[in-house]
Amino acid sequence: DARVTQTPRHKVTEMGQEVTMRCQPILGHNTVFWYRQTMMQGLELLAYFRNRAPLDDSGMPKDRFSAEMPDATLATLKIQPSEPRDSAVYFCASGFSDSSNQPQHFGDGTRLSIL
Amino acid sequence: GNSVTQMEGPVTLSEEAFLTINCTYTATGYPSLFWYVQYPGEGLQLLLKATKADDKGSNKGFEATYRKETTSFHLEKGSVQVSDSAVYFCALKDGSEKLVFGKGTKLTVNP
Repeated sequence: DARVTQTPRHKVTEMGQEVTMRCQPILGHNTVFWYRQTMMQGLELLAYFRNRAPLDDSGMPKDRFSAEMPDATLATLKIQPSEPRDSAVYFCASGFSDSSNQPQHFGDGTRLSIL
Repeated sequence: GNSVTQMEGPVTLSEEAFLTINCTYTATGYPSLFWYVQYPGEGLQLLLKATKADDKGSNKGFEATYRKETTSFHLEKGSVQVSDSAVYFCALKDGSEKLVFGKGTKLTVNP
């Protein structure tokens, strides 16, 4: 089965450090989504792309977060500088844009801890 | 705007018990409806879906029927197993690529 691949699976770093999370979407999918999951807020959509173009990043703190798709096989989410409140599990998902009844496919997430 | 409301958890059941997790939605159009499951330490996996009224989605013994008249998509299983312990998310898509999720319901099944 094709899968969304996220790296790293776990990241522990000190506040102020830059964090980069990577996602390889399923080959052929043209939409990519970044989510953050915490106990308090649940699952939040941070940003998403269609055909590598950013469409909606309204869920993302603009001052420290950035999301890009350098090519169709790689999406990145960066935090600079990181803060303890950024500790969460970050999920990437991919899908097709051409049909509303198609699901998104999720990676296993990056568990981020900011000390 | 579109929204999904799930029953509050956590839900704790004994093995072989009957499971219902309620889900209702608000949407402006005719959404597609989904149930996702998240096992500990993993991402969300699609469990089942339904794309139009009266459709029944089913997988792994789980079922949910798209009820337009009650705007509901309740998840059911006749006999749960310990391995079904997970968090279950109801979600909809309504003419957009974005999924709208409920807050999730944690299920624990005891032997």
